[in-house]
Amino acid sequence: VQLVESGGGLVKPGGSLRLSCAASGFTFNKAWMIWVRQAPGKGLEWVGQSRSITDGGTIDYAAPVKGRFTISRDESKNTLYLQMDSLTTEDTAVYYCSTGPRGWGQGTLVTVSS
Amino acid sequence: DIQMTQSPSTLSASVGDRVTITCRASQSVSSWLAWYQQKPGRAPKLLIYKASSLESGVPSRFSGSGSGTEFTLTISSLQPDDFATYYCQQYNSYSTCSFGQGTKLDLK
Repeated sequence: VQLVESGGGLVKPGGSLRLSCAASGFTFNKAWMIWVRQAPGKGLEWVGQSRSITDGGTIDYAAPVKGRFTISRDESKNTLYLQMDSLTTEDTAVYYCSTGPRGWGQGTLVTVSS
Repeated sequence: DIQMTQSPSTLSASVGDRVTITCRASQSVSSWLAWYQQKPGRAPKLLIYKASSLESGVPSRFSGSGSGTEFTLTISSLQPDDFATYYCQQYNSYSTCSFGQGTKLDLK
């Protein structure tokens, strides 16, 4: 299993950013995929998840990001996305994608600051 | 949503000690429970999955137990490399997943 996140960076409050997670080594179109974040000096926080089509294809979000973040997946590219809009300083964190306990990416840092 | 309560939040111990960290779920998660070790600037490292299955390559001094709502991670004899932060995670593709707040294990 290999997961590689990209797209992090510095963005101003109110701005947008799209993270990507390129997957390989497993059957992506059957995989449950989640986004997790970790603010500086804080614990791990579940952001949201995307179930495979065979599991219903539904998407769930944590309360702090619901309505601002959108998870999508491109099965043809084996890639998971996290579109983040209306960003605030509270969204500053390392963002990880995961396909369950045995598959994590290395994370990408998002910094929201003026 | 299922809440995970991990204790203690900080644990001071010495090399060679046996330590136990507890994780309680607000409702049953069956055996869908993982334990991770994290060091600063690194991604979480899986230690235990399905409550008690040791991940390949993880030393046998780590063990997990429990089911339903009560889980424990035990380190039988602390080694210098074990001083880190530990998290539990309940995971189930048919539910949302959540993490405990973490236990920082430091040198007494």
